[in-house]
Amino acid sequence: SYELTQPPSMSVSPGQTASIACSGDKLGDKFACWYQQRPGQSPVLLIYQDTKRPSGIPERFSGSNSRNTATLTISGTQAMDEADYFCQAWDSSTVVFGGGTKLTVL
Amino acid sequence: QVQLQESGPGLVKPSQTLSLTCSVSGGSISSGSFYWSWIRQPAGKGLEWIGRMYSDGTTNYNPSLKSRVTISGDTSKNHFSLKVTSVTAADTAVYYCARGSSASGWFDSWGQGTLVTVSS
Repeated sequence: SYELTQPPSMSVSPGQTASIACSGDKLGDKFACWYQQRPGQSPVLLIYQDTKRPSGIPERFSGSNSRNTATLTISGTQAMDEADYFCQAWDSSTVVFGGGTKLTVL
Repeated sequence: QVQLQESGPGLVKPSQTLSLTCSVSGGSISSGSFYWSWIRQPAGKGLEWIGRMYSDGTTNYNPSLKSRVTISGDTSKNHFSLKVTSVTAADTAVYYCARGSSASGWFDSWGQGTLVTVSS
């Protein structure tokens, strides 16, 4: 079965750039998307079709996808960005999520 | 704006069937542009896709759950449902319903989630 791998955790200082990687076999040939989940809340779509932002998502969130890795980049990270981040893709009509990355802003 | 709301028992006994319903407002489950999914999340863990239903009734399931899961829809009530049979403690989780794009599979709207505990 297809798998997406994310680092379990990472930390970033306020105002700095955070880059969260999501790796999978030939992931660049698929569309990747990203979700943010704050404690006790439902996931929120941040990025879809590799690079697109839904309306209302700040411009500091951006995405890329090439070869085997999709990347979520948060520029000028703010304290409110502390959350869990999940990548997601399709494979053979099956939806697959990455294991999630807990981002700490300190 | 579409809204989704899960409902169903919060406690299910082992070996019994878990049944949840997702009520949809502000959009129709008959829309061909979207599909309708169930996703779950055990406490402190990641998201697990359970399965989905398209507007024509076609379904896809997570291979790891396929033998125990059924997703169905009721267009007259504009809701869709989940059944998981023979539950164990491993099925304890927050269950979310979500709307997915038929184009590329992203989930743009999620319910608030409902906690289902499997315990005697």
